[in-house]
Amino acid sequence: GQSLEQPSEVTAVEGAIVQINCTYQTSGFYGLSWYQQHDGGAPTFLSYNGLDGLEETGRFSSFLSRSDSYGYLLLQELQMKDSASYFCAVRGGGGFKTIFGAGTRLFVKA
Amino acid sequence: GAGVSQSPSNKVTEKGKDVELRCDPISGHTALYWYRQSLGQGLEFLIYFQGNSAPDKSGLPSDRFSAERTGGSVSTLTIQRTQQEDSAVYLCASSLGVLADEQYFGPGTRLTVT
Repeated sequence: GQSLEQPSEVTAVEGAIVQINCTYQTSGFYGLSWYQQHDGGAPTFLSYNGLDGLEETGRFSSFLSRSDSYGYLLLQELQMKDSASYFCAVRGGGGFKTIFGAGTRLFVKA
Repeated sequence: GAGVSQSPSNKVTEKGKDVELRCDPISGHTALYWYRQSLGQGLEFLIYFQGNSAPDKSGLPSDRFSAERTGGSVSTLTIQRTQQEDSAVYLCASSLGVLADEQYFGPGTRLTVT
């Protein structure tokens, strides 16, 4: 089967840097994605890693180590609007279904 | 262009009734996904379509749940004999293909079973 683990909650101050870790177990791994979801909203895509290494998109970066079954999302220069839930998701399991982690709720304080 | 749309946005139904949830994906997107999200929880994979076929139905919680997709476009998720535990937000997403990096989500249908 497939499973993902990520912290349930993270709190940081405005302007700081925060890292949200994700470990996964799956067969037939295709890639690790990150999504952001504000309360009452739909998930929106942030980043995808299919290969090892760092992907950078503005203030957000994502890292993957396939040998460690581990990835993280790095958010820099935190803003109040970054307060949301962040989900890692893995595609694989012998097909192309996508399994999401339980989500990490990020609280950004002034 | 238009994003993924879902209807209805809210549905309240009595226990035991059948419901149909509709998803209109982004035009040209061949892959379509259904998820379920309970309050404060993560997204639970239900089923995905590659074109009109559903290679993996393993996420459907029970045989009361079924889904179909016609014409490579609109998809319908049907829940028969609804139960209170079916209450959740049902999210649909589409992507250019099953290997595409990004899934685009619709606003969801909030289902409440009374």
